Amino acid sequence: EIVMTQSPATLSVSPGERATLSCRASQSVSSNLAWYQQKPGQAPRLLIYNASTRATRIPSRFSGSGSGTEFTLTISSLQSEDFAVYYCQQYHNWPPWTFGQGTKVEVK
Amino acid sequence: VQLQESGPGLVKPSQTLSLTCTVSGGSIRSGSYYWSWIRQPAGKGLEWIGRMYTSGSTNYHPSLESRVTISGDTSKNQISLKLTSVTAADTAVYYCAREDQILNFLDVWGQGTTVIVSS
Repeated sequence: EIVMTQSPATLSVSPGERATLSCRASQSVSSNLAWYQQKPGQAPRLLIYNASTRATRIPSRFSGSGSGTEFTLTISSLQSEDFAVYYCQQYHNWPPWTFGQGTKVEVK
Repeated sequence: VQLQESGPGLVKPSQTLSLTCTVSGGSIRSGSYYWSWIRQPAGKGLEWIGRMYTSGSTNYHPSLESRVTISGDTSKNQISLKLTSVTAADTAVYYCAREDQILNFLDVWGQGTTVIVSS
């Protein structure tokens, strides 16, 4: 099973600032990586797939990069609605697909 | 496409957890999708339980494979999850989601349903 490790666990950022979230895989997942956003009491929402492709209707301030074992999600200018928990997920090796433990982006 | 989970919110230890995911706006037997179940214990991360393809074939998480069954009812356009011999560790929010067959991301999620395992 591929282990996904996200850092930091919590990221404190002021509105308008840039946020950079990291995700590391225990072995190469190529570009088979997705990012999800989850707000309290809601289901996760797909942001990014194939490491860098934005999903439908996702704002351009969200961008993904990386391949192999190191990945980054960048939010260029945080809006109030972006404060949430973010998860990465690998879909390279089955079974199973695995998620990171999440990074909480909170208001500084 | 919209997904809606339903089922008992409380299950006794050692019993079977049974949930249903009703799919609207699309057929579970058409298109190139998997229909997946994911769970999330309170305050914790996401765990993939398993999935069913449009053909009816299934894949399960190795750690749950002996206890889980995912199946489809085309007449009702529903996906079901059964988890046997539950313990407190199975307490979680359970989500159903649609998985793209080729790219394997989860692009449509239900709102989730909370299941508590307690006597």
